[in-house]
Order: sequence, then structure tokens, then C-alpha cells
Amino acid sequence: DADVTQTPRNRITKTGKRIMLECSQTKGHDRMYWYRQDPGLGLRLIYYSFDVKDINKGEISDGYSVSRQAQAKFSLSLESAIPNQTALYFCATSGTANYGYTFGSGTRLTVV
Amino acid sequence: RKEVEQDPGPFNVPEGATVAFNCTYSNSASQSFFWYRQDCRKEPKLLMSVYSSGNEDGRFTAQLNRASQYISLLIRDSKLSDSATYLCVVIPNDYKLSFGAGTTVTVRA
Repeated sequence: DADVTQTPRNRITKTGKRIMLECSQTKGHDRMYWYRQDPGLGLRLIYYSFDVKDINKGEISDGYSVSRQAQAKFSLSLESAIPNQTALYFCATSGTANYGYTFGSGTRLTVV
Repeated sequence: RKEVEQDPGPFNVPEGATVAFNCTYSNSASQSFFWYRQDCRKEPKLLMSVYSSGNEDGRFTAQLNRASQYISLLIRDSKLSDSATYLCVVIPNDYKLSFGAGTTVTVRA
């Protein structure tokens, strides 16, 4: 099994719909992150969590929310999806930032 | 100004060639630096950390220049399998990584 598992792998949804992306990890790390990747822009941080009770906004959190259900689970929600949220979304985990990240395989989200 | 900037390329090189590219960062207090590799539509994977004294990992050499605030990656004896996008990653503080947009390398037969 992968260290970081994201579901779904691909999703097409309509504008205005609520959608949840899920992430689970088996590395036992406390830190979890959600990034989105757009062509030419690199990865941008949406939300991060250092433990179950610690949730923080990243640089592009508007339109998103998260839930840290357990140490191993961190989900990202789009309350009302819009087309410019079409992107590749990655979940990642780390022991500390200095040890780098382990990424999930990504969720390709298309909002039509 | 972006925290991390990279030449997007693409760098198109023949097998066996040497290719090198840089990444600049804006936060002089940054402490840790990495190169990640990303294949098309897949997740980034750690290629190597970058140490102050420079370091090698097989055909890959990474350098850090703190005075000019850039890091570099050199790939010797390029293989077809080296074709990928290389992401420069900088840690400006304790809680997150800052990613460059990536440099695309294509190695041709």
C-alpha cells in the first residue's frame, strides 16, 4: 500500500457542487498538507495541519475547508466548486519540514 | 517577487549530455533546500537534499550559493529516464515548503 493515499484519483464535478477529497497516510507523521498544482505556477499551499487539533490556512485557502479526522486522515472540501478550482491536488505528509515531504498520487479535479 | 523562481525550460538534451539549471530564492533566512522530481501527471518525489558544501548522488550534483541565493542541479551522462520536471524546494520557515514552478528536462535518444 502507498504511504499516502488520496481518493478519488480523478473527479469531474459541476459548478456549485460540494466535493470532498480524502487523504490518509501510514507513515505515522503528525504534519499533513494540501497543495494544488496549476501549470506554470508550481505547488501552492491550501491548508496544513501539525496535529489533529491544529489547522492552519495556507496561501490560497479561500473556497476550501479541511478536516483532520485523525492523525492519519486529512480531508479537503470545496464547499461550492467553481471552474478555477480545476487543478491537480496533492496531499503530503512530513515528520518535520526539514525532512521533506511524501506526496500522495494526486487528485485531478475538473469543475465544469 | 516569487519566493522561488526557476527557468521553466524546456532543456532538450541528447543522451549522455550534461545539463544544469538554477533556482533562485528570495528569503535569505531559508535553511533547507531540496530538489524534487516530478514525472508527468504524477506526484513529486524527493530527488536530493542540497547541503551547504554541495553534494552528489550518482550522476546528480547539487550546489548551494547562499551569497547569491540560488541552488543548482547538474545531471551528468543524461539518460532517457531523466526526462522529467525538476522542482526546486526551499524551506523559508519551519512550517512549509516553497516550491518553484519547475524546470522541464527532455533527454532525447
